Amino acid sequence: AQKITQTQPGMFVQEKEAVTLDCTYDTSDPSYGLFWYKQPSSGEMIFLIYQGSYDQQNATEGRYSLNFQKARKSANLVISASQLGDSAMYFCAMREGPGYGNNRLAFGKGNQVVVIP
Amino acid sequence: NAGVTQTPKFQVLKTGQSMTLQCAQDMNHEYMSWYRQDPGMGLRLIHYSVGAGITDQGEVPNGYNVSRSTTEDFPLRLLSAAPSQTSVYFCASTPTAHYNEQFFGPGTRLTVL
Repeated sequence: AQKITQTQPGMFVQEKEAVTLDCTYDTSDPSYGLFWYKQPSSGEMIFLIYQGSYDQQNATEGRYSLNFQKARKSANLVISASQLGDSAMYFCAMREGPGYGNNRLAFGKGNQVVVIP
Repeated sequence: NAGVTQTPKFQVLKTGQSMTLQCAQDMNHEYMSWYRQDPGMGLRLIHYSVGAGITDQGEVPNGYNVSRSTTEDFPLRLLSAAPSQTSVYFCASTPTAHYNEQFFGPGTRLTVL
């Protein structure tokens, strides 16, 4: 069964607007971590943000924030004030278990974002 | 620091050939892993290592071998290449097994004919 689901079609967003990328996950482990990575057209993987399952607050990193809804098993990424450089594929990933001795990530299929001027 | 380096950047193999994808990091990271990315897909874990001398299988280990004789290097061996192994291969490292950010190399694009 797929652990991470990203089903949005490619998105076009106007520069300076906000965009929300959907991610739902499936796990029975009470301890897990959720991640978002960015992959621009050049191909490298860039870490954006992390949310732990026991974290009380939603994670934020600069223009990135994670809308964590535990009961719905959703971890949506919000990018505020989009820039042209935000055009990329965005991957949601999950690590099951507390992370000690385990850094195995399961990735979704990604969301394509194109920022238009 | 050079970070995580991978060689070669591109490789074309014929079915049945063997080769080794190289991965090295100069950050003294304990944890290293190999992922593959197929078109339209996210990354899938092949093998990982929590330290020198210790390796384990990930989600898709068949057809690949790894070893970790030093902290710096984590090569991935394809024993007998198959067209199904055509993919982009990423190596990643983190300081420890429970560190959140993984540092990825630039990837190796492999085509098996």
